[in-house]
Amino acid sequence: AQSVTQLDSQVPVFEEAPVELRCNYSSSVSVYLFWYVQYPNQGLQLLLKYLSGSTLVKGINGFEAEFNKSQTSFHLRKPSVHISDTAEYFCAVIQGAGGTSYGKLTFGQGTILTVHP
Amino acid sequence: DTEVTQTPKHLVMGMTNKKSLKCEQHMGHRAMYWYKQKAKKPPELMFVYSYEKLSINESVPSRFSPECPNSSLLNLHLHALQPEDSALYLCASSARVSGANVLTFGAGSRLTVL
Repeated sequence: AQSVTQLDSQVPVFEEAPVELRCNYSSSVSVYLFWYVQYPNQGLQLLLKYLSGSTLVKGINGFEAEFNKSQTSFHLRKPSVHISDTAEYFCAVIQGAGGTSYGKLTFGQGTILTVHP
Repeated sequence: DTEVTQTPKHLVMGMTNKKSLKCEQHMGHRAMYWYKQKAKKPPELMFVYSYEKLSINESVPSRFSPECPNSSLLNLHLHALQPEDSALYLCASSARVSGANVLTFGAGSRLTVL
């Protein structure tokens, strides 16, 4: 089975500071990795995804993430945050072929990012 | 059109009511999903439809009944719900990209059961 751990439940940061939201996964087979953002009282919006190829993935709103297979991590970063980035961020994984959870999107517990002025 | 549209946005119902949540997409996606999200929790998968056939039911109680009338529409019929079923219900559809299902979510229907 696959699992996703988001190491921080809440991350407070000041505006224009850099931020890193941490995500680790466990799986016995290859995985596809995603970060979604959820603004208050809204659905989930895809920020970025790692499917194959370059391990550094760039997404919307200036976010990027790096897939590290040896450390089974997929941390999300932004060099300078804005007030409007305040939201909850979910890391998610889908197992590749051969996995017992093949095709099912599994979410981490979420990280609430709060950007202070 | 790159959206998943869910109606209604808010629904309040009593435990004896029958209501339905609706979801529509026009992206040509052939897989559609229902997720349930409780407050301060991640979304949990309920059902998956693939090519209009139910392919995954995550042991959801029978008071939730999904229906996929065609490739663009997904319904969730609700009957005799409990207060603990109050949650945000998210619909999603997916496209296959490089071997992975990439999900696009709707804005959700917030359900309150009295």
